Amino acid sequence: QKEVEQNSGPLSVPEGAIASLNCTYSDRGSQSFFWYRQYSGKSPELIMFIYSNGDKEDGRFTAQLNKASQYVSLLIRDSQPSDSATYLCAVNKGLNDYKLSFGAGTTVTVRA
Amino acid sequence: EPEVTQTPSHQVTQMGQEVILRCVPISNHLYFYWYRQILGQKVEFLVSFYNNEISEKSEIFDDQFSVERPDGSNFTLKIRSTKLEDSAMYFCASSGGILNEQFFGPGTRLTVL
Repeated sequence: QKEVEQNSGPLSVPEGAIASLNCTYSDRGSQSFFWYRQYSGKSPELIMFIYSNGDKEDGRFTAQLNKASQYVSLLIRDSQPSDSATYLCAVNKGLNDYKLSFGAGTTVTVRA
Repeated sequence: EPEVTQTPSHQVTQMGQEVILRCVPISNHLYFYWYRQILGQKVEFLVSFYNNEISEKSEIFDDQFSVERPDGSNFTLKIRSTKLEDSAMYFCASSGGILNEQFFGPGTRLTVL
């Protein structure tokens, strides 16, 4: 079982719509969860992080965490063509486990 | 806004040669990391560094790899004898705490011929 799994995509949404991205993780003890955006040929750019169950909103982005289901999601509201990128889910187990474990990413294309 | 910087942006080397990739983490951060991403694949953890020593390393980080913080600002990754399969983007990252968000540099594209 992969540590972090994401919908493979690609996900195509019309401009102005909501893009919904999903991620599951295997280690129940994982403590912090991150969403990164990666444009082609560029480095991961942090867009959201969440530590507690529930929702966290930042502008057009909402992260949702359900530790019981080992599930984290990202909603992008009012999607713009500039949101077209690959979105990476990353998980940190904590407890002296320092690394981020990344999913393979979901590619999102926003159609104008 | 403070950011992680990396040099060079692109390094081309011959198989068997040594390369050193350089990073300047965000100045008040305490945890430093190297990741790599082979073209078309996911980002993979290589090593983390805290308090002047390696805190964790992956199975990728074998004896050919080493890291160093030679002064108060730079953080380097050395590959002693490069292989073709070392060709990848190498990202440096830093964070202020163990569970804190990690900020990535722009990366060094390493091409081994």
